[in-house]
Amino acid sequence: SYELTQPPSVSVSPGQTASITCSGDKLGNKYVCWYQQKPGQSPVLVVYEDTKRPSGIPERFSGSNSGNTATLTISGTQAMDEADYYCQSWDTSTVVFGGGTKLTVL
Amino acid sequence: QVQLVQSGAEVKKPGASVKVSCRASGYTFTTYGISWVRQAPGQGLEWLGWISSYNGNTKYAQKYHGRVTMTTDTSTSTAYMELRSLRSDDTAVYYCARDGGALAVAGDFDYWGQGTLVTVSS
Repeated sequence: SYELTQPPSVSVSPGQTASITCSGDKLGNKYVCWYQQKPGQSPVLVVYEDTKRPSGIPERFSGSNSGNTATLTISGTQAMDEADYYCQSWDTSTVVFGGGTKLTVL
Repeated sequence: QVQLVQSGAEVKKPGASVKVSCRASGYTFTTYGISWVRQAPGQGLEWLGWISSYNGNTKYAQKYHGRVTMTTDTSTSTAYMELRSLRSDDTAVYYCARDGGALAVAGDFDYWGQGTLVTVSS
């Protein structure tokens, strides 16, 4: 079965750029979405189709996908961005999530 | 505005079944699919499957084939997920999410329900 791998944790200082990676075999040939989840809340879609932002998502969130790695980049990271982030793709109509990355802003 | 409102928390015994509902509003129900995702305590997200709100076609994760059934009621814009033969490791928050695909899994979940905690305990 298809697998997506994320680092368990990433730390960033306020105002700096955070990058969260997601790796999978030939991932660049598939679409990737990214979700933000804060404690006790439902996930929120922050990037879809590799690079697109849903309405209401700040411009500081951006995505890329090439080769075997997709990346979520948060520019000018704010304290409110501290959360778990999950990448997600699909293979043969089966949806797969990465294991999640805890972003700490300190 | 788009809303997905799920049914309340459930406590079940091992071997029992649970049926969670997800009532949609704020959009034309039949023009999107619904996916179900679960999250065990302290764990990540896991996809259970998808249903077309247009024609009722389903796609289940291989792991849950034979144990899960997803249905919709277009007259009430409600999706249902039933999980049978519950085990303790089925304890999780179950989410419904709007899927951009009406005829096939699109995999972009732009709206989510509030989640339903299902606890399986003897």
